[in-house]
Amino acid sequence: DGGITQSPKYLFRKEGQNVTLSCEQNLNHDAMYWYRQDPGQGLRLIYYSQIVNDFQKGDIAEGYSVSREKKESFPLTVTSAQKNPTAFYLCASRISAGLNYEQYFGPGTRLTVT
Amino acid sequence: KQEVTQIPAALSVPEGENLVLNCSFTDSAIYNLQWFRQDPGKGLTSLLLIQSSQREQTSGRLNASLDKSSGRSTLYIAASQPGDSATYLCAVRREDTGRRALTFGSGTRLQVQP
Repeated sequence: DGGITQSPKYLFRKEGQNVTLSCEQNLNHDAMYWYRQDPGQGLRLIYYSQIVNDFQKGDIAEGYSVSREKKESFPLTVTSAQKNPTAFYLCASRISAGLNYEQYFGPGTRLTVT
Repeated sequence: KQEVTQIPAALSVPEGENLVLNCSFTDSAIYNLQWFRQDPGKGLTSLLLIQSSQREQTSGRLNASLDKSSGRSTLYIAASQPGDSATYLCAVRREDTGRRALTFGSGTRLQVQP
């Protein structure tokens, strides 16, 4: 089955700890994205990558970091500098950076920091 | 800056009703618009993608229209069913080439009563 996997589904961390969220896709998509969703709100873009070894900041990149060493993987690290890290995190991908293509989403990771 | 608004924020209808969800965007320079469905605690499922040159797209009981010049899109759901209960999100892709990500509305939470 082709798709996007995110693990774990639920993640709990203590304040002050860094945590890395996994995103893997076997769709052979070039472009990958990380979004954050807070209750009752739409998705906000954290980081995106149009190709391997390249990534760009989105609208709310402060306190987050990413890497794109492999086409199929785009992990997101939530650092201790992120002031309100508790949220639902969604990873997405598209076949290419071209404008016509649909974006597909993973099942999400719910991060709770206490 | 592009802003996407969805009205109403929540909607409850009896089974069998036809209904319309609204999406408006402030910058008409979009390349396409995508409608998604999100079940509680889950990722997003793409429903329909409308290119800026198109007026509407249909899939089964769903019909999405786009009026780019007025900055509006509607999602029409015919003969609603309890299984349609979910949050519906619209998102637009801007025409500029610097970014390939979507700008989302905050969604309409739909409840279809049996």
